Amino acid sequence: QSALTQPPSASGSPGQSVTISCTGTSSDVGGYNYVSWYQQHPGKAPKLMIYEVTKRPSGVPDRFSGSKSGNTASLTVSGLQAEDEAEYYCSSYEGSNNPHVVFGGGTKLTVL
Amino acid sequence: QVQLQESGPGLVKPSETLSLTCAVSGGSISGYHWSWIRQPPGKGLEYIGYIYYRGRTNYNPSLKSRVTISVDTSKNQFSLKLSSVTAADTAVYYCARDVGSGDVSRDAFDIWGQGTMVTVSS
Repeated sequence: QSALTQPPSASGSPGQSVTISCTGTSSDVGGYNYVSWYQQHPGKAPKLMIYEVTKRPSGVPDRFSGSKSGNTASLTVSGLQAEDEAEYYCSSYEGSNNPHVVFGGGTKLTVL
Repeated sequence: QVQLQESGPGLVKPSETLSLTCAVSGGSISGYHWSWIRQPPGKGLEYIGYIYYRGRTNYNPSLKSRVTISVDTSKNQFSLKLSSVTAADTAVYYCARDVGSGDVSRDAFDIWGQGTMVTVSS
């Protein structure tokens, strides 16, 4: 069982917007601005899409955006394109007695 | 540009120690935190731990008793050892670099190796 909770699936048509949620606790998502999002295509390594809740690495389209409210972080993909179909994982710093990084279980995004 | 390449045995016997190395090319290992992350077949990502180039480490509490991560700055590489492995340790193992330089980890990974599959079986 993953530390962060994501919906197993999400979908949208080309051009639409889709939002994927990532729910944690005050010890991780809610307590720190160290939430990241990764895109993973089958057989490939994950790719960093968002870090520190809202920051986009160089080269990531601005169609991808991140936000956070309380213990839930969100990734929004606007103007869906076929190549956005992939698995998406969130992660967060977890600041317990033994701080470390925790991941969500992943969300399969399907472009209809 | 910086590239990472994992290497090591693809098959490890139960109760033995899994050993992997990540070679860093196209840039220096200095200044960054370097991590290991794994993914069991058909499952999600699991953080194993990181090492700062100066040697400071952080481990997932669920694996801490079995994990050692080390760095060799002279060879521009870092390594993972996982002891007393079982079938549950079968996974693709990735090495990755933290997105930011400096002595505070940003806990986000912007450069990844291609991953190496390790199977635990007798």
